[in-house]
Amino acid sequence: EDQVTQSPEALRLQEGESSSLNCSYTVSGLRGLFWYRQDPGKGPEFLFTLYSAGEEKEKERLKATLTKKESFLHITAPKPEDSATYLCAVQAASNTGKLIFGQGTTLQVKP
Amino acid sequence: DADVTQTPRNRITKTGKRIMLECSQTKGHDRMYWYRQDPGLGLRLIYYSFDVKDINKGEISDGYSVSRQAQAKFSLSLESAIPNQTALYFCATSLTGIVGDTQYFGPGTRLTVL
Repeated sequence: EDQVTQSPEALRLQEGESSSLNCSYTVSGLRGLFWYRQDPGKGPEFLFTLYSAGEEKEKERLKATLTKKESFLHITAPKPEDSATYLCAVQAASNTGKLIFGQGTTLQVKP
Repeated sequence: DADVTQTPRNRITKTGKRIMLECSQTKGHDRMYWYRQDPGLGLRLIYYSFDVKDINKGEISDGYSVSRQAQAKFSLSLESAIPNQTALYFCATSLTGIVGDTQYFGPGTRLTVL
């Protein structure tokens, strides 16, 4: 069964304190792995798509990496405005178009 | 203007009522989706449509129906609302691609069934 597990569930950081969020997945043929940011009561905002192991993408303080079993979202020198829930999702080759989401990691960055 | 819009943004209704949630997009995407989000359960797929003539059930379609009126419009109906359908509902769109197609989400509809 295709599955996505994110850890930790919640993470508290001081401003400037770098860390990583983990997304472990099992899928029958990976078509894509997606990272989203979600603010309370709002729709998920697209961040990155990764397609193959070894791929990396960056955007401001965020960097996403991918291996055959997991993905990391690295946050460098975070700011309070980075506080949000970060969602990971996978798209399997056998279920083209459908995303399977993890439960998310809620990040709080304190000034 | 937002690329993916949802109406209404908030809705309070009573058990047994029929309601419709609407989604429109200006992204020119061919695929559209409906998800619901519940605390602790994450985002779950209700229905999806790859084009106007293609409608597919997701993992939690019982109690829901959909209509794809045009490429840009996808509506979700609750025929007889019940309290456990209280949730955040999101519409998403994507463009068919050779590799994984990225989905873009609307702002959501907060539905409360009393």
